[in-house]
Amino acid sequence: GENVEQHPSTLSVQEGDSAVIKCTYSDSASNYFPWYKQELGKRPQLIIDIRSNVGEKKDQRIAVTLNKTAKHFSLHITETQPEDSAVYFCAASTGNFNKFYFGSGTKLNVKP
Amino acid sequence: EAGVVQSPRYKIIEKKQPVAFWCNPISGHNTLYWYLQNLGQGPELLIRYENEEAVDDSQLPKDRFSAERLKGVDSTLKIQPAELGDSAVYLCASSQEGGGIFAGELFFGEGSRLTVL
Repeated sequence: GENVEQHPSTLSVQEGDSAVIKCTYSDSASNYFPWYKQELGKRPQLIIDIRSNVGEKKDQRIAVTLNKTAKHFSLHITETQPEDSAVYFCAASTGNFNKFYFGSGTKLNVKP
Repeated sequence: EAGVVQSPRYKIIEKKQPVAFWCNPISGHNTLYWYLQNLGQGPELLIRYENEEAVDDSQLPKDRFSAERLKGVDSTLKIQPAELGDSAVYLCASSQEGGGIFAGELFFGEGSRLTVL
């Protein structure tokens, strides 16, 4: 089955700096890669996703890049704010089977 | 639109007791998932339903865990008997068919936090 690895496990940045979280996957058939943000005690919520037919997607301060050859994708958050502090999970899904494999999460701390 | 609804939010039981969690997915979502989330970890799939059929239950510990999704809508996850190691958050999620070859967006409930003493 698919194996998704996520790094780093914790990330601390100063407010206004950029943050980058990286994930790798093993199954070349994976074609949909969502990112979830989970605040303490809350549900994971989708913040951005990318399909394998594009290499980059941007939504205001967040962006995701995908390298299918290297089988890795990354989340980029620019101009970080304290409210960006949360745990971020990447995931990979193969085809239309609606099966998702999650990374182990990155705890992002944005210091004011 | 109402999101995925789970209950109870919190449950504390003694080991060897039974426990059940309930999930109501988003209306129209044919795929329902139960995930296990340990502290500091990503969600791990327990079981996935397509309508009322369990299509992937390979990670469900069938000696003590059971699940059902009657009529292809609500679902219940049961543990009997519970063990200390079952303490975790049980997340329910739902999705509808994506476009073409792609999976649909996954929506999570708030989760049910189980503590086994």
